[in-house]
Amino acid sequence: DAGVIQSPRHEVTEMGQEVTLRCKPISGHDYLFWYRQTMMRGLELLIYFNNNVPIDDSGMPEDRFSAKMPNASFSTLKIQPSEPRDSAVYFCASNWGISGNTIYFGEGSWLTVV
Amino acid sequence: AQKVTQAQTEISVVEKEDVTLDCVYETRDTTYYLFWYKQPPSGELVFLIRRNSFDEQNEISGRYSWNFQKSTSSFNFTITASQVVDSAVYFCALCESTGGYQKVTFGTGTKLQVIP
Repeated sequence: DAGVIQSPRHEVTEMGQEVTLRCKPISGHDYLFWYRQTMMRGLELLIYFNNNVPIDDSGMPEDRFSAKMPNASFSTLKIQPSEPRDSAVYFCASNWGISGNTIYFGEGSWLTVV
Repeated sequence: AQKVTQAQTEISVVEKEDVTLDCVYETRDTTYYLFWYKQPPSGELVFLIRRNSFDEQNEISGRYSWNFQKSTSSFNFTITASQVVDSAVYFCALCESTGGYQKVTFGTGTKLQVIP
Protein backbone atom coordinates (compact mmCIF):
# COMPACT_ATOMS: atom_id res chain seq x y z
CA ASP A 1 0.00 0.00 0.00
CA ALA A 2 1.18 3.50 -0.72
CA GLY A 3 2.11 5.60 2.25
CA VAL A 4 1.51 9.29 2.75
CA ILE A 5 2.65 11.07 -0.38
CA GLN A 6 3.97 14.61 -0.30
CA SER A 7 5.06 16.96 -3.02
CA PRO A 8 7.31 18.65 -3.76
CA ARG A 9 10.11 16.90 -1.90
CA HIS A 10 12.35 19.93 -2.18
CA GLU A 11 11.54 23.53 -2.99
CA VAL A 12 13.67 26.63 -3.08
CA THR A 13 11.80 29.87 -3.52
CA GLU A 14 12.39 33.57 -3.17
CA MET A 15 11.00 35.59 -0.33
CA GLY A 16 7.56 36.91 -1.13
CA GLN A 17 6.59 34.08 -3.42
CA GLU A 18 3.65 31.79 -2.80
CA VAL A 19 4.44 28.22 -1.80
CA THR A 20 2.00 25.33 -2.00
CA LEU A 21 2.75 21.98 -0.43
CA ARG A 22 0.61 18.99 -1.27
CA CYS A 23 -0.31 15.82 0.52
CA LYS A 24 -2.15 12.63 -0.25
CA PRO A 25 -2.97 10.67 2.91
CA ILE A 26 -3.14 6.93 3.16
CA SER A 27 -6.40 5.68 1.67
CA GLY A 28 -9.02 5.15 4.35
CA HIS A 29 -7.40 7.43 6.90
CA ASP A 30 -9.73 10.10 8.21
CA TYR A 31 -7.24 12.26 10.11
CA LEU A 32 -4.64 14.38 8.40
CA PHE A 33 -1.93 16.37 10.14
CA TRP A 34 0.52 19.02 9.02
CA TYR A 35 3.73 19.35 11.05
CA ARG A 36 6.70 21.66 10.66
CA GLN A 37 10.19 20.69 11.78
CA THR A 38 12.97 23.17 12.48
CA MET A 39 16.15 22.95 14.49
CA MET A 40 14.95 25.64 16.86
CA ARG A 41 11.40 24.46 17.51
CA GLY A 42 11.47 20.76 16.72
CA LEU A 43 8.29 19.13 15.43
CA GLU A 44 5.31 21.45 15.69
CA LEU A 45 1.74 20.56 14.87
CA LEU A 46 0.37 23.24 12.56
CA ILE A 47 -3.14 21.98 11.87
CA TYR A 48 -5.11 18.79 11.67
CA PHE A 49 -8.26 17.67 9.90
CA ASN A 50 -10.85 15.04 10.63
CA ASN A 51 -13.06 13.95 7.74
CA ASN A 52 -11.78 16.93 5.74
CA VAL A 53 -12.81 19.43 8.43
CA PRO A 54 -10.13 21.49 10.18
CA ILE A 55 -10.25 20.66 13.88
CA ASP A 56 -7.37 22.55 15.41
CA ASP A 57 -5.37 25.21 13.62
CA SER A 58 -3.92 26.81 16.72
CA GLY A 59 -0.43 25.88 15.59
CA MET A 60 -0.62 27.82 12.35
CA PRO A 61 1.97 30.56 12.78
CA GLU A 62 0.13 33.46 11.22
CA ASP A 63 -2.25 34.50 8.51
CA ARG A 64 0.32 33.84 5.82
CA PHE A 65 -0.30 30.14 6.37
CA SER A 66 -3.45 28.41 5.22
CA ALA A 67 -4.44 24.77 4.80
CA LYS A 68 -7.27 23.10 2.97
CA MET A 69 -8.58 19.62 2.52
CA PRO A 70 -11.08 19.64 -0.34
CA ASN A 71 -11.54 15.88 -0.26
CA ALA A 72 -10.43 12.79 1.62
CA SER A 73 -7.42 12.19 -0.59
CA PHE A 74 -5.85 15.60 -0.90
CA SER A 75 -4.67 18.48 1.26
CA THR A 76 -2.62 21.60 0.68
CA LEU A 77 -0.59 23.86 2.90
CA LYS A 78 -0.04 27.28 1.44
CA ILE A 79 2.32 30.04 2.51
CA GLN A 80 1.73 33.46 1.00
CA PRO A 81 3.93 35.45 1.05
CA SER A 82 6.82 33.25 2.07
CA GLU A 83 9.63 34.49 4.31
CA PRO A 84 13.10 33.08 5.07
CA ARG A 85 11.97 32.05 8.55
CA ASP A 86 9.49 29.67 6.95
CA SER A 87 12.40 27.50 5.81
CA ALA A 88 11.78 24.10 7.36
CA VAL A 89 10.73 20.56 6.65
CA TYR A 90 6.96 20.24 6.42
CA PHE A 91 5.53 16.82 7.16
CA CYS A 92 2.10 15.57 6.34
CA ALA A 93 0.80 12.61 8.32
CA SER A 94 -2.38 10.62 8.57
CA ASN A 95 -4.14 8.05 10.67
CA TRP A 96 -7.44 6.32 11.04
CA GLY A 97 -10.27 6.26 13.46
CA ILE A 98 -10.08 6.70 17.16
CA SER A 99 -7.53 8.67 19.06
CA GLY A 100 -4.20 7.07 19.53
CA ASN A 101 -3.89 5.07 16.37
CA THR A 102 -0.46 5.15 14.81
CA ILE A 103 0.26 8.25 12.78
CA TYR A 104 2.09 7.62 9.53
CA PHE A 105 4.26 10.33 8.08
CA GLY A 106 5.16 11.31 4.57
CA GLU A 107 8.76 11.85 3.61
CA GLY A 108 8.48 15.59 4.10
CA SER A 109 8.76 18.67 1.93
CA TRP A 110 12.04 20.50 2.42
CA LEU A 111 11.38 24.20 1.93
CA THR A 112 14.07 26.85 1.60
CA VAL A 113 13.06 30.49 1.27
CA VAL A 114 15.89 32.77 0.18
CA ALA B 1 -1.84 20.95 28.62
CA GLN B 2 0.41 18.16 27.54
CA LYS B 3 4.14 18.04 27.45
CA VAL B 4 6.80 15.58 26.43
CA THR B 5 10.35 15.97 27.71
CA GLN B 6 13.36 14.30 26.21
CA ALA B 7 16.11 15.69 28.37
CA GLN B 8 18.95 14.06 26.44
CA THR B 9 19.71 16.21 23.43
CA GLU B 10 22.54 14.09 22.08
CA ILE B 11 24.05 10.76 23.06
CA SER B 12 27.14 9.08 21.67
CA VAL B 13 27.91 5.43 22.27
CA VAL B 14 30.37 2.97 20.88
CA GLU B 15 28.95 0.18 18.78
CA LYS B 16 27.67 -2.79 20.79
CA GLU B 17 27.01 -0.69 23.88
CA ASP B 18 23.51 -0.52 25.29
CA VAL B 19 21.81 2.86 25.39
CA THR B 20 18.62 4.15 26.99
CA LEU B 21 16.70 7.15 25.70
CA ASP B 22 14.52 8.85 28.26
CA CYS B 23 11.03 10.22 27.80
CA VAL B 24 8.93 11.89 30.48
CA TYR B 25 5.42 13.11 29.78
CA GLU B 26 2.74 15.16 31.44
CA THR B 27 -0.98 14.71 30.97
CA ARG B 28 -4.16 15.00 32.97
CA ASP B 29 -5.96 12.39 30.92
CA THR B 30 -6.36 8.85 32.17
CA THR B 31 -6.46 7.53 28.61
CA TYR B 32 -3.57 8.45 26.41
CA TYR B 33 -1.10 6.94 23.98
CA LEU B 34 2.64 7.08 23.74
CA PHE B 35 4.81 6.59 20.68
CA TRP B 36 8.41 6.40 19.65
CA TYR B 37 9.56 7.41 16.16
CA LYS B 38 12.96 7.19 14.53
CA GLN B 39 14.27 9.82 12.14
CA PRO B 40 17.37 8.57 10.32
CA PRO B 41 19.69 10.97 8.47
CA SER B 42 17.55 10.57 5.35
CA GLY B 43 14.82 12.52 7.16
CA GLU B 44 11.73 10.37 7.17
CA LEU B 45 9.87 9.61 10.39
CA VAL B 46 9.58 5.91 11.07
CA PHE B 47 7.08 4.54 13.57
CA LEU B 48 8.61 2.22 16.18
CA ILE B 49 6.04 1.56 18.88
CA ARG B 50 2.65 2.60 20.26
CA ARG B 51 1.52 2.12 23.84
CA ASN B 52 -1.78 2.93 25.52
CA SER B 53 -2.00 4.13 29.08
CA PHE B 54 -3.65 0.96 30.33
CA ASP B 55 -0.91 -1.36 29.17
CA GLU B 56 2.17 -1.10 31.35
CA GLN B 57 3.78 -4.27 30.12
CA ASN B 58 7.27 -3.75 28.88
CA GLU B 59 7.84 -4.65 25.29
CA ILE B 60 10.79 -6.13 23.49
CA SER B 61 11.31 -6.21 19.76
CA GLY B 62 14.67 -7.60 18.78
CA ARG B 63 17.31 -5.26 20.14
CA TYR B 64 14.70 -2.66 21.09
CA SER B 65 12.84 -2.57 24.38
CA TRP B 66 10.51 -0.10 26.02
CA ASN B 67 9.85 0.50 29.70
CA PHE B 68 6.54 2.22 30.49
CA GLN B 69 6.16 3.43 34.08
CA LYS B 70 2.96 5.31 34.82
CA SER B 71 4.09 6.03 38.37
CA THR B 72 6.93 8.17 37.06
CA SER B 73 5.23 9.21 33.78
CA SER B 74 8.09 7.78 31.80
CA PHE B 75 8.34 5.77 28.61
CA ASN B 76 12.00 4.94 28.09
CA PHE B 77 13.53 3.25 25.10
CA THR B 78 16.56 0.95 25.27
CA ILE B 79 18.66 -0.26 22.38
CA THR B 80 20.75 -3.29 23.22
CA ALA B 81 24.03 -3.93 21.43
CA SER B 82 23.75 -0.73 19.42
CA GLN B 83 24.72 -0.64 15.77
CA VAL B 84 25.79 2.14 13.46
CA VAL B 85 22.43 1.89 11.68
CA ASP B 86 20.77 2.95 14.92
CA SER B 87 22.26 6.42 14.50
CA ALA B 88 19.26 8.71 14.20
CA VAL B 89 17.10 11.19 16.05
CA TYR B 90 14.50 9.48 18.19
CA PHE B 91 11.25 11.18 19.11
CA CYS B 92 8.83 10.35 21.87
CA ALA B 93 5.24 11.50 21.39
CA LEU B 94 2.06 11.73 23.44
CA CYS B 95 -1.48 11.54 22.13
CA GLU B 96 -4.55 12.39 24.15
CA SER B 97 -8.13 13.03 23.19
CA THR B 98 -9.30 16.58 23.37
CA GLY B 99 -13.05 16.94 23.18
CA GLY B 100 -13.24 13.65 21.35
CA TYR B 101 -10.49 14.56 18.93
CA GLN B 102 -6.83 13.78 19.09
CA LYS B 103 -3.76 15.90 19.41
CA VAL B 104 -0.23 14.57 19.27
CA THR B 105 2.72 16.36 20.82
CA PHE B 106 6.30 15.39 20.13
CA GLY B 107 9.33 15.75 22.32
CA THR B 108 12.34 17.63 21.05
CA GLY B 109 14.12 14.43 20.14
CA THR B 110 17.34 12.72 21.17
CA LYS B 111 20.10 12.46 18.62
CA LEU B 112 21.89 9.14 18.94
CA GLN B 113 25.28 8.64 17.37
CA VAL B 114 26.69 5.14 17.35
CA ILE B 115 30.41 5.15 16.75
CA PRO B 116 31.93 2.15 15.01
